[in-house]
Amino acid sequence: EVQLVESGGGLVQPGRSLRLSCAASGFTFDDYAMHWVRQAPGKGLEWVSGIDWDSDNIDYVASVKGRFTISRDNAKNSLYLQMNSLRAEDTALYYCARSQFGGVKRPFDYWGQGTLVTVSS
Amino acid sequence: QSVLTQPPSVSAAPGQKVTISCSGSSSNIGKNFVSWYQQLPGTAPKLLIYDNNKRPSGIPARFSGSKSGTSATLGITGLQNGDEADYYCGTWDTSLSAQVFGGGTKLTVL
Repeated sequence: EVQLVESGGGLVQPGRSLRLSCAASGFTFDDYAMHWVRQAPGKGLEWVSGIDWDSDNIDYVASVKGRFTISRDNAKNSLYLQMNSLRAEDTALYYCARSQFGGVKRPFDYWGQGTLVTVSS
Repeated sequence: QSVLTQPPSVSAAPGQKVTISCSGSSSNIGKNFVSWYQQLPGTAPKLLIYDNNKRPSGIPARFSGSKSGTSATLGITGLQNGDEADYYCGTWDTSLSAQVFGGGTKLTVL
């Protein structure tokens, strides 16, 4: 059974940093592209970043470029999101999601339950 | 402002049919496959339709998808109370090099 379990969320002050993790199991992790998708309270889905199986292809939404860094450790079946210079508008539930086989452009066929990030002083 | 445009809400009675539209542009829907996601209250999104009209294993045939030009449509027949959810369209945007979503449509089963 495919499982994606996020961790690392919490309350953080504006300008500070936070690192999210996603532990994957139930599938061959290094066969798939992975993503972070967020959802602000009461709002819609927003894709944040995606990374190909070998970290060769990485993309970000414009609003986080230069502040967030996605990475993965295939040996540990884990996905990460390093978030620096956090802003109030980064407050959201952050989901880890797997792309269908075929790269970062493929839709998301499995999602975690999310980890909540709150940016506030 | 979302890259893809969906109606904020739709409603219909149980047993009826409803459609949800998703409008984009030549750089996203016009060039790439469309997917649809269902988000039940308090839960993570679930893939409903991919590659415009394909259903993952376990998704009932009551759910269907289509695409024409720069627009796509999700159809749900035989509406059930359990279909009350938010529905999102998504695709890849070639110009942005990004996955993009619609703003979401809240389905109410009257």
